[in-house]
Amino acid sequence: AAGVIQSPRHLIKEKRETATLKCYPIPRHDTVYWYQQGPGQDPQFLISFYEKMQSDKGSIPDRFSAQQFSDYHSELNMSSLELGDSALYFCASSLALNTEAFFGQGTRLTVV
Amino acid sequence: AQTVTQSQPEMSVQEAETVTLSCTYDTSESDYYLFWYKQPPSRQMILVIRQEAYKQQNATENRFSVNFQKAAKSFSLKISDSQLGDAAMYFCAYTYGTSYGKLTFGQGTILTVHP
Repeated sequence: AAGVIQSPRHLIKEKRETATLKCYPIPRHDTVYWYQQGPGQDPQFLISFYEKMQSDKGSIPDRFSAQQFSDYHSELNMSSLELGDSALYFCASSLALNTEAFFGQGTRLTVV
Repeated sequence: AQTVTQSQPEMSVQEAETVTLSCTYDTSESDYYLFWYKQPPSRQMILVIRQEAYKQQNATENRFSVNFQKAAKSFSLKISDSQLGDAAMYFCAYTYGTSYGKLTFGQGTILTVHP
């Protein structure tokens, strides 16, 4: 069965650079969630989209922005990167808001 | 604010034996959902089991079962007949309302399985 696809799987950026993470949900899924998991930490909810509209917002820094496109894939844009942004970024998708979310394998971002 | 607490940073179990991971949560909501996720070394987040708060019956998925004590706000995970492949970080998670994927996670418990 098709799963949530995240790209790239690994990304190394320098401080103050910009990074774009991509998430391709499971086919027919219209809802996407983004999480950040720092080293040794639990995942923290960042933001979610339903039918291409932002549905909820968590602890997402102002330097980050995200959107969901017409094909339901989503991109997380991160600017002015800081060392503390180094983390595993998960995307999850679901068929509508009130159904189980399935996680991708994550993108590991390292800021040097 | 909703919080999820896992008081056991690490647990270990012998292969084929049973282990219980603890989780407590705090919420003022009446309609909510609880989950246990497994995160193996690959870092993939895998749903193990879920429990709807309105259901009195404890959820069971093969070797995994929960003990849901709503009044005590406790949600423990029991793994029976532990296998080497069960070794992972386990997260307890909570959500409420209509957005199932907006999860609040506990701190996690690292489970080691000894052969």
